[in-house]
Amino acid sequence: EIVLTQSPATLSLSPGERATLSCRASQSVSSYLAWYQQKPGQAPRLLIYDASNRATGVPARFSGSGSGTDFTLTISSLEPEDFAVYYCHQRSNWPQTFGQGTKVEIK
Amino acid sequence: QVQLVESGGGVVQPGRSLRLSCAASGFTFSSYGMHWVRQAPGKGLEWVAAIFYDGTNKKYADSVKGRFTISRDNSKNTLYLQMNSLRAEDTAVYYCARDLLGHYAMDVWGQGTTVTVSS
Repeated sequence: EIVLTQSPATLSLSPGERATLSCRASQSVSSYLAWYQQKPGQAPRLLIYDASNRATGVPARFSGSGSGTDFTLTISSLEPEDFAVYYCHQRSNWPQTFGQGTKVEIK
Repeated sequence: QVQLVESGGGVVQPGRSLRLSCAASGFTFSSYGMHWVRQAPGKGLEWVAAIFYDGTNKKYADSVKGRFTISRDNSKNTLYLQMNSLRAEDTAVYYCARDLLGHYAMDVWGQGTTVTVSS
């Protein structure tokens, strides 16, 4: 099973600041990595697929990069609605797995 | 609009069974692979099971293999999860989700249905 390790566990930032979230895989997942945003009481929302492609309707301030084992989700300038939990997800190998999440909270 | 609506959750005793349903609308259900993903209270996301668009191939997490069965009825636009021999650790919100066509991600999610396993 491929383990995805996200860091940091919590990111405390102010609106307008840049957020950089990391996801490291225990073995290569090529570019088969996605990022999701989840707010309390809501279902996850797809942000990024294939490591760097924004899903439909996702603002341009969200960007993804990386390949192989190291991936990054960047939010260029945090908006109030961006404070949430973010998960990375791989489907390179079965079973597909999620990272444990990074909480982006208001400082 | 594209929508997934789960149902069938509830409170059930350990060892008993439950069947979840996910009704799809607004898209050609028979063209998409589908998934169940769960989230235990206060925890992260855990993929549970997947089924290919035509039902010919199914995959399971080790934690549910042999106890849960994923299926679909393309004539009814509905996805199912039959859960047997339920355990306390199966307590979670269960989401159904749709494959993003041609890519390895899930682009549409239901609102979730809650399963509580407790005596």
